[in-house]
Amino acid sequence: EVQLVESGGGVVRPGGSLRLSCAASGFIFDDYDMTWVRQVPGKGLERVSGISWNGDRAGYADSVKGRFTISRDNAKNSLYLQMNSLRAEDTAIYYCVRDMQGGDWFDPWGQGTLVTVSS
Amino acid sequence: QSVLTQPPSVSGAPGQGVTISCTGGSSNIGAGYDVNWYKQVPGTAPKLLIYANTNRPSGVPDRISGSKSGTSASLAITGLQAEDEADYYCQSFDSSLSDHVFGTGTKVTVL
Repeated sequence: EVQLVESGGGVVRPGGSLRLSCAASGFIFDDYDMTWVRQVPGKGLERVSGISWNGDRAGYADSVKGRFTISRDNAKNSLYLQMNSLRAEDTAIYYCVRDMQGGDWFDPWGQGTLVTVSS
Repeated sequence: QSVLTQPPSVSGAPGQGVTISCTGGSSNIGAGYDVNWYKQVPGTAPKLLIYANTNRPSGVPDRISGSKSGTSASLAITGLQAEDEADYYCQSFDSSLSDHVFGTGTKVTVL
């Protein structure tokens, strides 16, 4: 069974840092590009960042550019999101998703991990 | 603000049908980029429902269908069931933003 399991969420003060992890199983991890998508509770979806299968290309939403860094460790079947200089507006559920067909669609989605930025 | 616009809500009685629209523009749907649809039951993660405009992943019933025309796409659900109550999001690529974008989301209520 294809599975993505996120961890690392929590409560952090504005200006603080947090590192999210996503453990992948049930498929050949380094065959796929991967993406982080976030959702403010009760609101819509926003693609935060994506990374190519071998990690040599990464992209970011303007809202997080310069503050967040995506990375992956194919030997550990893991995806990461390093979040620095966190702001209240970064409060959201962060989902790890697999890119299909070169990133045209996303399947499956992890269960999500909640990040709360609050003083 | 999303570049893909959906109605905030639609509703129908059990057994009836509903259609959800996803309106984009010349830099996304109108440029030929495919549209995908996701279903999100409250409190759970989104799940792929339709990919590449019209295709259903295994396990998605054939009473759910997708279509695309011009700068818009639609998701149709026939024979509404209680399990169809959820939020639905469209998704495509926008060449002006050089990024994947999601629709504003539509809440489906089964009366």
